[in-house]
Amino acid sequence: AQSVTQLDSQVPVFEEAPVELRCNYSSSVSVYLFWYVQYPNQGLQLLLKYLSGSTLVESINGFEAEFNKSQTSFHLRKPSVHISDTAEYFCAVSDTSGSRLTFGEGTQLTVNP
Amino acid sequence: GAGVSQTPSNKVTEKGKYVELRCDPISGHTALYWYRQSLGQGPEFLIYFQGTGAADDSGLPNDRFFAVRPEGSVSTLKIQRTERGDSAVYLCASSHGQGYGYTFGSGTRLTVV
Repeated sequence: AQSVTQLDSQVPVFEEAPVELRCNYSSSVSVYLFWYVQYPNQGLQLLLKYLSGSTLVESINGFEAEFNKSQTSFHLRKPSVHISDTAEYFCAVSDTSGSRLTFGEGTQLTVNP
Repeated sequence: GAGVSQTPSNKVTEKGKYVELRCDPISGHTALYWYRQSLGQGPEFLIYFQGTGAADDSGLPNDRFFAVRPEGSVSTLKIQRTERGDSAVYLCASSHGQGYGYTFGSGTRLTVV
């Protein structure tokens, strides 16, 4: 079984500031790791994923996450945030069969002008 | 279709009643998943279909919950004798298969009064 801990339930930042949303996971087997974003009144959207290979993965809108096996972490970062990045962000893990995701409780990112 | 479609988007029902929630996955996606998201929480796994069969139903909370996918496409989540604690957003997702990540629908918000 896997578990996910998102260390911050709320992260307020100012526009153009850098941000890091923290995610730690626990698993006894190899994992796939994901970040999903949920904008207000919308469904979950896949932001980025780590399956294998390079430990640094990037999204099309400037977010990146790094898989750190020794620290069992998959923190999400962006060097400069926009107002439009305001959303709830969920970290998730699955085993390599991909049959089910285990989600963290989410981090609400609020970008203020 | 272009995305995962869930109907209805909102459902209010009285305690003790029976409800059905429908999910229409992306055409050609063999894997279909149901999750439940309570207020302030991350989504919790309910059941996973591979084709017509339930490959993993270990997340169903009790025998009042049941899901079917008779033709390997549309799925229906059925809840008998609803309770107030069943109130949540029920999410459906579909996938090409292992490691591709899911596409989620917008969910059905179920309120039991």
